[in-house]
Amino acid sequence: GENVEQHPSTLSVQEGDSAVIKCTYSDSASNYFPWYKQELGKRPQLIIDIRSNVGEKKDQRIAVTLNKTAKHFSLHITETQPEDSAVYFCAASHTSGTYKYIFGTGTRLKVLA
Amino acid sequence: DGGITQSPKYLFRKEGQNVTLSCEQNLNHDAMYWYRQDPGQGLRLIYYSQIVNDFQKGDIAEGYSVSREKKESFPLTVTSAQKNPTAFYLCASSRGSTDGELFFGEGSRLTVL
Repeated sequence: GENVEQHPSTLSVQEGDSAVIKCTYSDSASNYFPWYKQELGKRPQLIIDIRSNVGEKKDQRIAVTLNKTAKHFSLHITETQPEDSAVYFCAASHTSGTYKYIFGTGTRLKVLA
Repeated sequence: DGGITQSPKYLFRKEGQNVTLSCEQNLNHDAMYWYRQDPGQGLRLIYYSQIVNDFQKGDIAEGYSVSREKKESFPLTVTSAQKNPTAFYLCASSRGSTDGELFFGEGSRLTVL
């Protein structure tokens, strides 16, 4: 069946360093790849997304890259800050009717001050 | 103030009892979803609905039921047939096929005693 693998499950970085989270998807029909951030005790919120017709997208300190051939996409956070500490989920979906997402298992990022 | 509201936030239930979790949205979104979140397993789709009076099973629908009688409401019933119901449940909505961003509620934590 369809699945999304996400690595690593936990990641600790020093404040100011970069963090990279990687996801691999199985459904070659997937064409929409969002990333959600869930702070402790709060709801997940979209932080960035990318569609299959684009290879890279950047928004200030965060960026996402997509390799359709290899079926993987990555989240890059530069100049990490303590408020970046959260659980990050990747997801894959294809835009045929309702967006039915398959989520990765999440990465707990800790930014050490 | 637009958003998606889940209730109750915490719920305790005895084995053998059914329980219904409420999800209401005033975002005028067509699509609504229920996810279950367990530690280390990410977000798994239980049921989703694209329009009123229509819904589809997700990956882990066994032991759950839903209804979509109104656009704004998508309640989830956890039945006694669900073998391991203790979990954190998240409801979400999206505009549907034109925009895939998921907006999540704050979640309901169900504990079976």
